[in-house]
Amino acid sequence: DGGITQSPKYLFRKEGQNVTLSCEQNLNHDAMYWYRQDPGQGLRLIYYSQIVNDFQKGDIAEGYSVSREKKESFPLTVTSAQKNPTAFYLCASSIASGGDAYAQYFGPGTRLTVL
Amino acid sequence: SQQGEEDPQALSIQEGENATMNCSYKTSINNLQWYRQNSGRGLVHLILIRSNEREKHSGRLRVTLDTSKKSSSLLITASRAADTASYFCATPGPGSARQLTFGSGTQLTVLP
Repeated sequence: DGGITQSPKYLFRKEGQNVTLSCEQNLNHDAMYWYRQDPGQGLRLIYYSQIVNDFQKGDIAEGYSVSREKKESFPLTVTSAQKNPTAFYLCASSIASGGDAYAQYFGPGTRLTVL
Repeated sequence: SQQGEEDPQALSIQEGENATMNCSYKTSINNLQWYRQNSGRGLVHLILIRSNEREKHSGRLRVTLDTSKKSSSLLITASRAADTASYFCATPGPGSARQLTFGSGTQLTVLP
């Protein structure tokens, strides 16, 4: 059963703590993405990766870090430098061949709340 | 960065009616995508339309693209309560064709 999984579904963090959100896919996609969504808003791109061991900053990368050591996994760390981290975080993946655009497949999301 | 903006922000209709949502964008694109998001869930890809296509159908969905007006529309025919969701258009981002920029969405409510 192919798809993208994110864990945990809900995450609570104290101010000053780093937290890592998990994203795993078994779709054999090369490209993976992290988005942030605030209430009533669209998605904003945090980081994306088109291949293992390579990733690029999106529009709002400050206060976040990622790694891409395996094709299947793209964890996101929300650091204490992120001033307003409470949000809904979505991971996605897509085919990455050539320069064309493809549909992105999304995980169920992680809702992060800073206490 | 270029961005699609959906209109209206919210739409409420009765079951069985048609729902039309619009998306406008700022700069030339070679494709546009529509996604649906149920409350508290991830997004689901609905349809991708390329700049050389004027209209595309998928089941009860009909998408049009007018590159001269820099706009797209999503029509859902014979709506059902299960169509209640937010709908987003997405355009290619500045970094690569695979990077998407999303609008703020249209919240569709279909009343039974």
